[in-house]
Amino acid sequence: NAGVTQTPKFQVLKTGQSMTLQCAQDMNHNSMYWYRQDPGMGLRLIYYSASEGTTDKGEVPNGYNVSRLNKREFSLRLESAAPSQTSVYFCASRTSGRADTQYFGPGTRLTVL
Amino acid sequence: QKEVEQNSGPLSVPEGAIASLNCTYSDRGSQSFFWYRQYSGKSPELIMFIYSNGDKEDGRFTAQLNKASQYVSLLIRDSQPSDSATYLCAVTYNFNKFYFGSGTKLNVKP
Repeated sequence: NAGVTQTPKFQVLKTGQSMTLQCAQDMNHNSMYWYRQDPGMGLRLIYYSASEGTTDKGEVPNGYNVSRLNKREFSLRLESAAPSQTSVYFCASRTSGRADTQYFGPGTRLTVL
Repeated sequence: QKEVEQNSGPLSVPEGAIASLNCTYSDRGSQSFFWYRQYSGKSPELIMFIYSNGDKEDGRFTAQLNKASQYVSLLIRDSQPSDSATYLCAVTYNFNKFYFGSGTKLNVKP
């Protein structure tokens, strides 16, 4: 049981390049999330998926797109990377109960030059 | 704008003391409240959640919620050097979107 996995762990992009961050969970959770964390700041929600086949915007969706490929996988795409997107990206998953916790992946450290 | 505010710290306490971490939130519609611990370079991990007014205890940790004052706190008794980390407060309004504070850095000195 690997929990939540993310690939890659590190990535350096040039401005304007595109890439997809992958996330998968093996806990049969319904909800999945993408967050970014900038230095000295908390996590900010980019997009979430409450169930397979649905996605919704969070606080900071501009510049990102997502795909809930199936119940296990939720990917985040940067179409044209900008230096402002330099951050650590965390994926999380959760069941649907009132107080069920989120389980976080190890994160992807992205630098955009 | 839904805001979650935390003092960034660092909060320094001696080993064995009680550490008190505080969090305020702006939206009275908040439903559930979470405390996460994050070690440097690692992902957040859940310590406790609370959704009813009052106290909730789990081992050395106590979460306190006061919805009237829009205030949630975390007490860590018998603080250990291994408790040194950043503590993130999170709030959820509809059990889908979670809003995090910027975190309080705790240093426990041996």
